[in-house]
Amino acid sequence: AQSVTQLDSQVPVFEEAPVELRCNYSSSVSVYLFWYVQYPNQGLQLLLKYLSGSTLVKGINGFEAEFNKSQTSFHLRKPSVHISDTAEYFCAVSVSLGTGRRALTFGSGTRLQVQP
Amino acid sequence: NAGVTQTPKFRILKIGQSMTLQCTQDMNHNYMYWYRQDPGMGLKLIYYSVGAGITDKGEVPNGYNVSRSTTEDFPLRLELAAPSQTSVYFCASRPGQGFRDEQFFGPGTRLTVL
Repeated sequence: AQSVTQLDSQVPVFEEAPVELRCNYSSSVSVYLFWYVQYPNQGLQLLLKYLSGSTLVKGINGFEAEFNKSQTSFHLRKPSVHISDTAEYFCAVSVSLGTGRRALTFGSGTRLQVQP
Repeated sequence: NAGVTQTPKFRILKIGQSMTLQCTQDMNHNYMYWYRQDPGMGLKLIYYSVGAGITDKGEVPNGYNVSRSTTEDFPLRLELAAPSQTSVYFCASRPGQGFRDEQFFGPGTRLTVL
């Protein structure tokens, strides 16, 4: 079964510094990958997704991710973070439930803590 | 559009009690999902539905039941609450079965079983 692994449970970073949140997926012929963000006491919100085509995917709030098939990775990056980016970030992969049905399998999450 | 709404936001149950977590979406989405999120863990799929009257088990269905009588509503039932069901529960929906479709999440229900 397809899965994703988020390598860092917490990432502390100073405001205006760059950040990379790492995600590796299990290899598959076709893979559809997502990054979601969860702000405190809120539900999950889609940041960006990779379905096909360009390996560099741009999302909301200045985030981008690069799909790397040879390294089976889908790392999330932002060149300059803000205090407001403090949140939990989840990498997810779309998995088949059979008969055309699909759901998401999530990584364990990375808590981004932006410090002033 | 209100999107995906969940009630209640918080609940404390005693062991053996039962309750229903409510989930409603106003986007006319066919697919709906229930996930649970344990501390330090990702979300795990409990049940899902592909349309009114059609539900199926996900990864962790034991101790839960669902129904889907309308497109809008997808309640999750806990019959005999256990401490292991202490978690944050998220409901989500998406338009159809295409892999391109984004899932939209509700704000969650934080449940504690004592």
